[in-house]
Amino acid sequence: DSGVTQTPKHLITATGQRVTLRCSPRSGDLSVYWYQQSLDQGLQFLIHYYNGEERAKGNILERFSAQQFPDLHSELNLSSLELGDSALYFCASSNHLGNTEAFFGQGTRLTVV
Amino acid sequence: SQQGEEDPQALSIQEGENATMNCSYKTSINNLQWYRQNSGRGLVHLILIRSNEREKHSGRLRVTLDTSKKSSSLLITASRAADTASYFCATDAQGAQKLVFGQGTRLTINP
Repeated sequence: DSGVTQTPKHLITATGQRVTLRCSPRSGDLSVYWYQQSLDQGLQFLIHYYNGEERAKGNILERFSAQQFPDLHSELNLSSLELGDSALYFCASSNHLGNTEAFFGQGTRLTVV
Repeated sequence: SQQGEEDPQALSIQEGENATMNCSYKTSINNLQWYRQNSGRGLVHLILIRSNEREKHSGRLRVTLDTSKKSSSLLITASRAADTASYFCATDAQGAQKLVFGQGTRLTINP
């Protein structure tokens, strides 16, 4: 158990809908990273938050947004969903801005139908 | 584009043999990390090697880093069936504040 909790584990939704994925980092970790993993794209970095502030952004679509709350949990919001958004979404946490290992949650498997 | 690229994409060996995976990257890094992922599950951190280190060991794992060639290798010795998984390298580029993963090597250990 990495100590990182992601909910829900599975999500099935229709095209055009909006979903929210939640991540609770390990106790004491200030950094949260979000990744998307699909079969043809590998593990894609989406966004990094540190202590509530956005620190780095990857190839995150404008339909996607994220935030980190004062209690350090984070949410990834995906809207106007398309079939191609079906993927595993992981969050990871670490206790520094970088240069240290990251601990991954078990992921949320999103299926858009 | 991905920072790290693993080679080979897939590797199948007999139990007891050694497995070697390679990773190449593009920019200057703070560190390079290796992770394991069992099918459809979260990634598990294996080992981190800093840019000023050349070799690191952890149990049956040996990692090397050549910053002049921008490459790293992961060696798993005396492989076991339980080592069957995908292995990813991830680079923490200087100033980037993000971990960027390669496409991974799918390792299969045959009993």
